[in-house]
Amino acid sequence: AQSVTQLDSHVSVSEGTPVLLRCNYSSSYSPSLFWYVQHPNKGLQLLLKYTSAATLVKGINGFEAEFKKSETSFHLTKPSAHMSDAAEYFCVVSPSRTITNAGKSTFGDGTTLTVKP
Amino acid sequence: DTEVTQTPKHLVMGMTNKKSLKCEQHMGHRAMYWYKQKAKKPPELMFVYSYEKLSINESVPSRFSPECPNSSLLNLHLHALQPEDSALYLCASRGWEGTEAFFGQGTRLTVV
Repeated sequence: AQSVTQLDSHVSVSEGTPVLLRCNYSSSYSPSLFWYVQHPNKGLQLLLKYTSAATLVKGINGFEAEFKKSETSFHLTKPSAHMSDAAEYFCVVSPSRTITNAGKSTFGDGTTLTVKP
Repeated sequence: DTEVTQTPKHLVMGMTNKKSLKCEQHMGHRAMYWYKQKAKKPPELMFVYSYEKLSINESVPSRFSPECPNSSLLNLHLHALQPEDSALYLCASRGWEGTEAFFGQGTRLTVV
């Protein structure tokens, strides 16, 4: 079984200030973890992924996330917010490699990031 | 090519109409997914195809009928929909479990 909790439904920051979006997960096996971003009426775009390699993961557009197994967390950070970062962010957990090549990912409820000028 | 292409981008249909959504990928992915997404909510899984066979149906009403004609194509046939079925329908594909899913831009469906 697996679950994801995004601890903040809304985060508001000023342009140029740091961003922190929090995600906790639970999983009965070694999971893969992802952060996706969704702009209004668009599909989901992968920001970064953790798949049991380095625990500090760098993604696109200056985003990073650190996998902390002891805290079961995978928080997303960015040193300096840009207006274009305003969007919905989803933390996702998936089973790691299986034979069947199909299965269910579990999505967090999402965090709406607002960036003020 | 790392794209998942969905057509149409927008669709308005009456409750008695029959329409189809189409999804295409050329990444050689053998798992393909349909999701439904309501405003301000995460995507909800509807169907999973693995190696062109339906492997997961999340108790979706029969007015939604998926089809996977080949390893690159995924269709969602719609018939007698209800206004509450209005949503963004997303297609995704994945090469292997544990790897990232690639999402299409979605079809914005409005049922009138």
